[in-house]
Amino acid sequence: GQNIDQPTEMTATEGAIVQINCTYQTSGFNGLFWYQQHAGEAPTFLSYNVLDGLEEKGRFSSFLSRSKGYSYLLLKELQMKDSASYLCAVRRTGGFKTIFGAGTRLFVKA
Amino acid sequence: DTEVTQTPKHLVMGMTNKKSLKCEQHMGHRAMYWYKQKAKKPPELMFVYSYEKLSINESVPSRFSPECPNSSLLNLHLHALQPEDSALYLCASSQVRREDRQETQYFGPGTRLLVL
Repeated sequence: GQNIDQPTEMTATEGAIVQINCTYQTSGFNGLFWYQQHAGEAPTFLSYNVLDGLEEKGRFSSFLSRSKGYSYLLLKELQMKDSASYLCAVRRTGGFKTIFGAGTRLFVKA
Repeated sequence: DTEVTQTPKHLVMGMTNKKSLKCEQHMGHRAMYWYKQKAKKPPELMFVYSYEKLSINESVPSRFSPECPNSSLLNLHLHALQPEDSALYLCASSQVRREDRQETQYFGPGTRLLVL
């Protein structure tokens, strides 16, 4: 079977740092996506982690530990426009199947 | 260019209608996807095409019929839909970099479908 868990909601303050966690249990793990989705819009690709470790892209960083079935998305210098849902999604091996977590709604307050 | 385009943006159809959703990408991606997304839920995979061949069908009802005319285009033909099929239909494309298995997957803006 497969299971992907993320917190349902988080609130953070403008200018702060927030970490959104994602844990997964799946057979045939290939990699993990992070997407940002604003209400009423399509998901926007943020990152794809295949190997263990931290990958940094500007204000956003993503971490993966394959042995622990754990990933996080780190958002620095939060801006109001970062208020959105953040989806982690597991890519399974042997094909193109991607399973999404339920998403974390992030609220950034002034 | 990281753009996936979809038409139409909005669609209202009756349960007896036949309509088609269209998706296009010019990034040279060889995998293309249809997802369905209901409000406040994550996207659910429906179909995957790899090199223009149907690779995955997630037990989708036959009233949804995908088609991949060429490597840039993906269609979803709709017939005799039900009101519960109302949702945002998202197209996506992806490419894997063989040397390090890095992948990028981009979504189109979606078609918001309402079935009456």
